[in-house]
Amino acid sequence: GAVVSQHPSWVICKSGTSVKIECRSLDFQATTMFWYRQFPKQSLMLMATSNEGSKATYEQGVEKDKFLINHASLTLSTLTVTSAHPEDSSFYICSARARGRGGIQPQHFGDGTRLSIL
Amino acid sequence: ILNVEQSPQSLHVQEGDSTNFTCSFPSSNFYALHWYRWETAKSPEALFVMTLNGDEKKKGRISATLNTKEGYSYLYIKGSQPEDSATYLCASQTSYDKVIFGPGTSLSVIP
Repeated sequence: GAVVSQHPSWVICKSGTSVKIECRSLDFQATTMFWYRQFPKQSLMLMATSNEGSKATYEQGVEKDKFLINHASLTLSTLTVTSAHPEDSSFYICSARARGRGGIQPQHFGDGTRLSIL
Repeated sequence: ILNVEQSPQSLHVQEGDSTNFTCSFPSSNFYALHWYRWETAKSPEALFVMTLNGDEKKKGRISATLNTKEGYSYLYIKGSQPEDSATYLCASQTSYDKVIFGPGTSLSVIP
């Protein structure tokens, strides 16, 4: 149980393109979804947290207009990298968490998306 | 400590050896402490979620302890096997939605 599907797993596109990444919880309702970015040899950096039906909460230094997050249903969140540039190239990974226990629940991760902007 | 730190950064052990590594986190605003295992080409897998000072959790050959007063957690692996090779991540949760990950400890178990 607790499967999270993230796609695409790999994207290569030209500078200026907008890229949408989907994160779906397949067998549970994810009231909270998290989006992370990982730079080479570094830790997972939390970009934003989204609760179903609410606006995402962005971490300091993460541009809201650049990284659009939508959490329209209890099973789907999307991250859109708008007008992507080479510096946006990175590994992006989502996770989902079910309701309950005051938020003290494990996160269930997708497989990640490797984004390369040429 | 303002960040989540993990040590060592990497570790190589022989099959059958027992090993342990450390996670240090801010002791103020403690909410929960998470451990994950991240194998290459897979997604991170939750191992433990711990909340109580002095708590110890066990899952097969892997166990973890928690000291919330001093801000550290240990992860132990008994009798390491090649399939234990992975990066082990700890994450400090300071509120309902705030979870900060450490850089991870990369474990390689040599057959």
